[in-house]
Amino acid sequence: EDKVVQSPLSLVVHEGDTVTLNCSYEVTNFRSLLWYKQEKKAPTFLFMLTSSGIEKKSGRLSSILDKKELFSILNITATQTGDSAIYLCAVDLAGAGSYQLTFGKGTKLSVIP
Amino acid sequence: DADVTQTPRNRITKTGKRIMLECSQTKGHDRMYWYRQDPGLGLRLIYYSFDVKDINKGEISDGYSVSRQAQAKFSLSLESAIPNQTALYFCATSDLLRGFETQYFGPGTRLLVL
Repeated sequence: EDKVVQSPLSLVVHEGDTVTLNCSYEVTNFRSLLWYKQEKKAPTFLFMLTSSGIEKKSGRLSSILDKKELFSILNITATQTGDSAIYLCAVDLAGAGSYQLTFGKGTKLSVIP
Repeated sequence: DADVTQTPRNRITKTGKRIMLECSQTKGHDRMYWYRQDPGLGLRLIYYSFDVKDINKGEISDGYSVSRQAQAKFSLSLESAIPNQTALYFCATSDLLRGFETQYFGPGTRLLVL
């Protein structure tokens, strides 16, 4: 059965710290991996990583994909209280005519002043 | 205006009642999805639709039904609500960005079944 596992499940850091969130996957026919940030309600899209794009960066956030070891990390430097959220990892499973995302359970990040 | 809207945003209902959650989108996407989110369980797929004539069951479809009334509208029904259907429900749409799936979520509907 396909599986997406995120770790840690929750994390508390102080402002200014650097954090690394992990996502490992066991899927057949991997197509892409996506990171989302969920604050109060709806998840919002952060990054997509594919075979041809294994590293992405946007401001203080960056992510890499290791297709050989089947994991991705999301890095946040100089954290701010506004980074407090649940971070979701999802994997796009390639199948005949099928495009679905399988989500991990998420990492809850709390950044305290 | 939001690209993906859901109504109602909050709903309290009683066991055995039929309720409908509605989703509308202005993104022009063909693919639409319904998820539920429970603490500690992440997002789980209920139903999805790739176009108006296409409906597919997801991971946890029992107790739910859907209707795709138009490209822009996808509704989720609970025929006879039960307390363990209390959850946060999300509608999502997607396009194929250069052949890759990217999903965009509505604001969610918080449902409480008493």
